[in-house]
Formats: sequence, structure tokens, C-alpha cells
Amino acid sequence: GIQVEQSPPDLILQEGANSTLRCNFSDSVNNLQWFHQNPWGQLINLFYIPSGTKQNGRLSATTVATERYSLLYISSSQTTDSGVYFCAVGNAGNNRKLIWGLGTSLAVNP
Amino acid sequence: SQTIHQWPATLVQPVGSPLSLECTVEGTSNPNLYWYRQAAGRGLQLLFYSVGIGQISSEVPQNLSASRPQDRQFILSSKKLLLSDSGFYLCAWTGDRARRGDEAFFGQGTRLTVV
Repeated sequence: GIQVEQSPPDLILQEGANSTLRCNFSDSVNNLQWFHQNPWGQLINLFYIPSGTKQNGRLSATTVATERYSLLYISSSQTTDSGVYFCAVGNAGNNRKLIWGLGTSLAVNP
Repeated sequence: SQTIHQWPATLVQPVGSPLSLECTVEGTSNPNLYWYRQAAGRGLQLLFYSVGIGQISSEVPQNLSASRPQDRQFILSSKKLLLSDSGFYLCAWTGDRARRGDEAFFGQGTRLTVV
């Protein structure tokens, strides 16, 4: 099945810094989502981005499907950005199931 | 708009006791429904999914079962909890054909501690 790898596993930033999180996947996908899990455990949808580029405020994401990776950019980070960021993918043969990376744990210090 | 409700938010249960977690979705019909577990650490493990009433697929054999008695209701159960059942349980849905049918949305989760 599809393998999903996220990097880095852990990241510590000062408030105001920028960062890039990466998600590599081992097979073609037609579903890719980025989530933020806040300290209370809730999974918040950030992007649905099987291909292309999207932006939402200080966050943006790019998926290069042909090269099997996706990037999540966080600019001008804030303490509220802290938490774990997950990438999850699905493909045509497996579309009811999302395959998850292990996440990137982000801590933004004031 | 669609919303997903999951309860309770936290639960402490003794070993050997039964379990029932409930999840309901509003604002859509015929959703695909999922139960995930997140153990200590970060990975999410798919436990069950359902594409319709009474249709349950199990991903991992274990001490849990799922049922879907109504279109927008998904229940996770156990007859006798084990210590290893502790974890964070998340319900999710997909299938809003008006938007992106395979985008997943999650409930707030239930933190289960078996003592």
C-alpha cells in the first residue's frame, strides 16, 4: 500500500518565523489533505490538495503529484500554530481510506 | 452546512466494562463514516468504515465492534474493555458530493482511559 512520510518529525520556531513541512508519498494519489491537530486533539482541515497550489491566509500548500510530494508553508508563525500537522492521502483503489503520515510536531515559542 | 458530533469527550472506564461511543453527522445524507484511533504518539489507525446502513468494514481485528443503525449514526462498542483500548478515538465522514466527495471531516474526539 501507499507509504506516507512526513518531515521533519519535530520543529521548534520563534514566533514570526517561516517554515516548510514536507509530505512524501509512494504512489499516485487523487486525495491529499493537510490537517492541524490542536492541543485539544481536534483535527482541523487545512487543505484538500491532491494537486496544485492553494493559499489560506498565512498558510499555503503545494502538491506536485508527478513527483509524489506535498509542501505546507507556514509564514509569520504564531503560538496558536503549535500542534501536530498531518498529511493524509488516498488513491483511486483505496479512496475510502486515508493513509496517514506520522505528523510533524510544531512548537512556536513567543 | 455539515457538522459532526461525537460524544463523550472524555471517558474513564474500568477494565472489563462495556463501551459505547456515538457519532452523528448532520447536513448530509448517505455519508461514508469512519472510526479512527490515535494511540500515544501520533499515528492514526483506521478501525472501521461504513458506506451505508448496516454495512461495516473492519480494518483491524480487535476487541471493538461498530454499528450503523441509521444513515448518519455510527457507534463504536466493546463488550469488555482492555487496558490496550485506551486512546483517542475519532469519528470522521466523507461523501459530500456537492463539494469534494473524498474530503474527510473529523469530530472532536473521545479520549478513553481504561483503568
